Amino acid sequence: DVKVTQSSRYLVKRTGEKVFLECVQDMDHENMFWYRQDPGLGLRLIYFSYDVKMKEKGDIPEGYSVSREKKERFSLILESASTNQTSMYLCAIDRGQGEDTEAFFGQGTRLTVV
Amino acid sequence: SQKIEQNSEALNIQEGKTATLTCNYTNYSPAYLQWYRQDPGRGPVFLLLIRENEKEKRKERLKVTFDTTLKQSLFHITASQPADSATYLCALESGSYIPTFGRGTSLIVHP
Repeated sequence: DVKVTQSSRYLVKRTGEKVFLECVQDMDHENMFWYRQDPGLGLRLIYFSYDVKMKEKGDIPEGYSVSREKKERFSLILESASTNQTSMYLCAIDRGQGEDTEAFFGQGTRLTVV
Repeated sequence: SQKIEQNSEALNIQEGKTATLTCNYTNYSPAYLQWYRQDPGRGPVFLLLIRENEKEKRKERLKVTFDTTLKQSLFHITASQPADSATYLCALESGSYIPTFGRGTSLIVHP
């Protein structure tokens, strides 16, 4: 059974705080992704990583950074949280080999910035 | 610009009927297309993948078709049940092995 584990289900933070969202996988997959999901906007890609210490910007990277020091762990960092970053955050992984890759998602972190 | 379009209006059907959901795309040439199910407050779960050279794929009560000329995929659930109520997302790979998702369509199956 594939496991993609996000560190928190629910999180409440204050404006201006530095926030860390952690994602850990047990599948040895190369690709890891961070999405945010908002009503009416669907899943939007923030950052992804295809290898340790490698990262690429997605569609909405502003206000976020990421870290991948080990293959199994991909962290999303909100440098200074703002209320417009209140959202559901989803981590995903896949094998990164093109065809026949399916994405496995974590359970999501519902972040509220007050 | 690239677009993936799924009906934003919820689909309401009676138990036992076939549900059909649509995914249209523009300015993509995907090698494959995927369908996912998402329950409220949860991450999406993979259901089916269909390749560009496949017209149809089945898995139990699920059937997916892929028409690269029309740039459309249809997702069917036969003999639908209330437990099938969820949001269904289609996803395309955008040429760099990154899945890009549609906004999803909510399906509500009434008993």
